[in-house]
Amino acid sequence: KAGVTQTPRYLIKTRGQQVTLSCSPISGHRSVSWYQQTPGQGLQFLFEYFSETQRNKGNFPGRFSGRQFSNSRSEMNVSTLELGDSALYLCASSEGQGATNEKLFFGSGTQLSVL
Amino acid sequence: QKEVEQNSGPLSVPEGAIASLNCTYSDRGSQSFFWYRQYSGKSPELIMSIYSNGDKEDGRFTAQLNKASQYVSLLIRDSQPSDSATYLCAVSWTSYDKVIFGPGTSLSVIP
Repeated sequence: KAGVTQTPRYLIKTRGQQVTLSCSPISGHRSVSWYQQTPGQGLQFLFEYFSETQRNKGNFPGRFSGRQFSNSRSEMNVSTLELGDSALYLCASSEGQGATNEKLFFGSGTQLSVL
Repeated sequence: QKEVEQNSGPLSVPEGAIASLNCTYSDRGSQSFFWYRQYSGKSPELIMSIYSNGDKEDGRFTAQLNKASQYVSLLIRDSQPSDSATYLCAVSWTSYDKVIFGPGTSLSVIP
């Protein structure tokens, strides 16, 4: 099975711009979670989508949004970028239900730099 | 605010020794506990999951859970230089809840 695929791998943006990141989960996985990882804050939960619905949400401002498509692929959007948004954005997929739901499989991440 | 805490380290152990990594969590209702390993420049990968009080062994790894003390640990026996990585403790409160990660403990195994 192919793993979790995230695109692009690297992004450089300037303050005020917006960005869209993409994530394709493992085949058969219906849940996609997004995390922000920075050296100072570690892995911070953004949101989780299951069957095209946001099931869980972290404590990030409304500039951070996401969606999930019928094929379980997910996108994350950040509007009005700030310098502090520079981070590694990780997508993780899981089966979405049952006892193994929380076992997350991570993609390689998108490294976002905001200048 | 549900929180997961870990000693940030770095923790250094000699090759062949036992490495002990600790994690505490704030919510008594937590149900599921995980240890992820993250090599520098790589993504986290799941190495252990534990759901019931007690010990769970998988090869050189043993996870220990004490829900009364809100404490979960990971023991790595016969530590190898290839075990050098950051170890992330993760907690979920229900099967459909978000998974929250601790800040991670950096482990260095010295040859």
